[in-house]
Amino acid sequence: NAGVTQTPKFQVLKTGQSMTLQCAQDMNHNSMYWYRQDPGMGLRLIYYSASEGTTDKGEVPNGYNVSRLNKREFSLRLESAAPSQTSVYFCASSESQGDEKLFFGSGTQLSVL
Amino acid sequence: SQKIEQNSEALNIQEGKTATLTCNYTNYSPAYLQWYRQDPGRGPVFLLLIRENEKEKRKERLKVTFDTTLKQSLFHITASQPADSATYLCALDTGGGNKLTFGTGTQLKVEL
Repeated sequence: NAGVTQTPKFQVLKTGQSMTLQCAQDMNHNSMYWYRQDPGMGLRLIYYSASEGTTDKGEVPNGYNVSRLNKREFSLRLESAAPSQTSVYFCASSESQGDEKLFFGSGTQLSVL
Repeated sequence: SQKIEQNSEALNIQEGKTATLTCNYTNYSPAYLQWYRQDPGRGPVFLLLIRENEKEKRKERLKVTFDTTLKQSLFHITASQPADSATYLCALDTGGGNKLTFGTGTQLKVEL
């Protein structure tokens, strides 16, 4: 049982390049989330998807787009990467919205030069 | 402004002692609070959830308290072990729909 799988694990981009972070869960969860984690800032919510077909902005959505491709997959796209987007990105899922625990992937370490 | 505070300094304790971590918040009225454990290079792992009408929750060696008047949660690990060494994050429900806001975490080191 893989849980939440993120790819890639590491990525280096040049300023202005684009890329998509992939996330898939095999727990049949309805809700999925993208967080970024920076030193001294804690985890911050970028976007979330309460259910298949819906997406909403979180605390720090600027510079990102998301796609809930199907119930299993939720991707995060950086259209024009900036050094300020250097961070560790975590995808998470939960059975539904509400007081549900989150299951996290192992993260993607992204550096933008 | 809304804020969640956890001790930024690492907490060092001896094996066998009880570790107590603090999570304070301002300007929130969360319906529930969660605690997660995070190991280096890994994603957070859920430990416990406590709701606003619950004062205390236990799971094996873990105990969480939630004081909505003080706006504080305490996380206790009894009979601590070196394997408990990790960063512990508190997270609050801050808008419904499981939109959690996380604290910055406290690093716990359990020494032999």
